[in-house]
Amino acid sequence: DAKTTQPPSMDCAEGRAANLPCNHSTISGNEYVYWYRQIHSQGPQYIIHGLKNNETNEMASLIITEDRKSSTLILPHATLRDTAVYYCIVSKNNNAGNMLTFGGGTRLMVKP
Amino acid sequence: GAGVSQSPSNKVTEKGKDVELRCDPISGHTALYWYRQSLGQGLEFLIYFQGNSAPDKSGLPSDRFSAERTGGSVSTLTIQRTQQEDSAVYLCASSLTNTNTASPYFGPGTRLTVT
Repeated sequence: DAKTTQPPSMDCAEGRAANLPCNHSTISGNEYVYWYRQIHSQGPQYIIHGLKNNETNEMASLIITEDRKSSTLILPHATLRDTAVYYCIVSKNNNAGNMLTFGGGTRLMVKP
Repeated sequence: GAGVSQSPSNKVTEKGKDVELRCDPISGHTALYWYRQSLGQGLEFLIYFQGNSAPDKSGLPSDRFSAERTGGSVSTLTIQRTQQEDSAVYLCASSLTNTNTASPYFGPGTRLTVT
């Protein structure tokens, strides 16, 4: 799987947009970018995924650069409950399972 | 709808005992995954099932670990002769298919403590 690089931690003010960057410069053509988050003591929660087009759902937006070497997860109006570790993962393309390799992630702290 | 469920939520066992951890995937999901997360560490992949078959067992840390899946649904992870280093949160996930377009959804985990 392509390696991802994320800042270890970020702060965000409550009510502001949280923009979490991820570099994946070795991504291959058919590899998807996935984002999960893990709130303390809970299982990882799926947020969003994309291939090359920008994606939006009720939780977040995913912006992928045209060369696909980096992406940004946007939480438009961060709340205190969004404090978590956010993982950016590149998933290899095969029909042999979608095993996700979790790195260190970004610890997002939303502050009042 | 119902998500992935795991039982028990917490398990305390004595070193040397066997334990069984259960995962109920989302209905209709053909792929099932087991991970574990030691305290303060990242997630470590253990095993993957497609239907009842486990084509990838590469992550199982030792021959004390085994897993099975029956009826294409429930899966059981068994740890024999538990050791203290087995203490971790064991997480199960399921996805609709086995391709990288199908998002795995995780359960709440089973916290295993070996004393």
